Amino acid sequence: DQQVKQNSPSLSVQEGRISILNCDYTNSMFDYFLWYKKYPAEGPTFLISISSIKDKNEDGRFTVFLNKSAKHLSLHIVPSQPGDSAVYFCAAEDYGQNFVFGPGTRLSVLP
Amino acid sequence: EADIYQTPRYLVIGTGKKITLECSQTMGHDKMYWYQQDPGMELHLIHYSYGVNSTEKGDLSSESTVSRIRTEHFPLTLESARPSHTSQYLCASSEYSTEAFFGQGTRLTVV
Repeated sequence: DQQVKQNSPSLSVQEGRISILNCDYTNSMFDYFLWYKKYPAEGPTFLISISSIKDKNEDGRFTVFLNKSAKHLSLHIVPSQPGDSAVYFCAAEDYGQNFVFGPGTRLSVLP
Repeated sequence: EADIYQTPRYLVIGTGKKITLECSQTMGHDKMYWYQQDPGMELHLIHYSYGVNSTEKGDLSSESTVSRIRTEHFPLTLESARPSHTSQYLCASSEYSTEAFFGQGTRLTVV
C-alpha cells in the first residue's frame, strides 16, 4: 500500500508559467516532507522541505504548501524554466524514521 | 554541497560475478541508505543503517548485503549477480529529521 502518492506521472508547462506538482500521503504520523529533483542517471537532489508545524515554506522560485487536514502537499515552481525539466519526487519521514518516496512526476518545461 | 560518493558510476558485469558497490560520505551522518530504482519507477529502500554495526533490510526484498564498519562507509555486495539485479542503485545519508543527501548512483547492468 503506497503511503506517498503522486497521481500525475507527468506534467507539461510552458516556460515562464507556474508548475504545480501534487503529493498525497496516508500516514498521519509523517512529520517532515521533502521534494527532490532527479535527472536521468543521477542521484536525486534535495530541493525544499517543510515540517508538519508549518503550512508553507519558500526558497527562491520554489514554494511548498502543506495541508495537514487533507494530507496533501504541493510544490510550486514560479517561473518555470527549461532546466527544471526532471522527475520530481515527494518524500515523507516519520519522526526520524526512514524516508518514504512517492513514484515521481516527470515535469517538462517547454520553451 | 553534498559530500557523498558512489563508485563505480556504471558497471557492466557477467552473470554469477560477485560485486561490491561503494558508498562513502564525509558529513559524519549516522543514517545511511541504499535505494534501488528502475527507469521511470519509484525509489525502493533495500537497506539502511542507523550507525556503526547497525544494518537493516528495507521495504523491498533484495539479495544484496551491506556492512557498516565505519561511519563514513556503507558498501553493498551482491555475491552472485543476475540479470534481474540490473538497476540503478542510489546511496544516501542523513542526520535525524533532516534531508537525505544522495550520491550520483551506480547504474548496474548484468549480462
